[in-house]
Amino acid sequence: DAGVTQSPTHLIKTRGQQVTLRCSPKSGHDTVSWYQQALGQGPQFIFQYYEEEERQRGNFPDRFSGHQFPNYSSELNVNALLLGDSALYLCASSFGLAVSRETQYFGPGTRLLVL
Amino acid sequence: AQTVTQSQPEMSVQEAETVTLSCTYDTSESNYYLFWYKQPPSRQMILVIRQEAYKQQNATENRFSVNFQKAAKSFSLKISDSQLGDTAMYFCAFTRPPNFGNEKLTFGTGTRLTIIP
Repeated sequence: DAGVTQSPTHLIKTRGQQVTLRCSPKSGHDTVSWYQQALGQGPQFIFQYYEEEERQRGNFPDRFSGHQFPNYSSELNVNALLLGDSALYLCASSFGLAVSRETQYFGPGTRLLVL
Repeated sequence: AQTVTQSQPEMSVQEAETVTLSCTYDTSESNYYLFWYKQPPSRQMILVIRQEAYKQQNATENRFSVNFQKAAKSFSLKISDSQLGDTAMYFCAFTRPPNFGNEKLTFGTGTRLTIIP
């Protein structure tokens, strides 16, 4: 059983560019959450998708947007990249929205470097 | 807003010894869930242990146990008989109770634990 997978593993972009990160949830999971983990920091919640809709959003600007597909996979898009967007982007999947009761499984992350 | 604080950026301990990682949090909620996650050098975050605030009994998972002090808003992780594979970043996390659509994990800044052979 494949766990949560993310692509690409590493990415280098320049300021002002746009980037798309992809996530495939663990088999049987229908909810995907995205987190940004800056170097030396804990992950920060970006948003959560369930039934192809954004259900919750953290304190991130509109430059961060996402999408969930009918097969539950998800994309994270970041427009007009800033140097401060350099981070490890983590995807986590779970069954349903109750992340307190249902264990979230994390992917290995995508390391984004903005130059 | 909920906050999670981990005051120990780094710790190290000899293999087979016991180590305790500290975490404090701030919330006005009466029920909530607390977690410890482990992030090894391979980067994949793994759930170590979970505690529901309404449950007075401290959670245990094999060599991992917590000391949950609700009044003090403290949630420490004890690792017994530490092993080299325990070397990782450890994150304390908080979420509100199962309230449809309102749950998200809030993480602390982490403690880097090194197990010395």
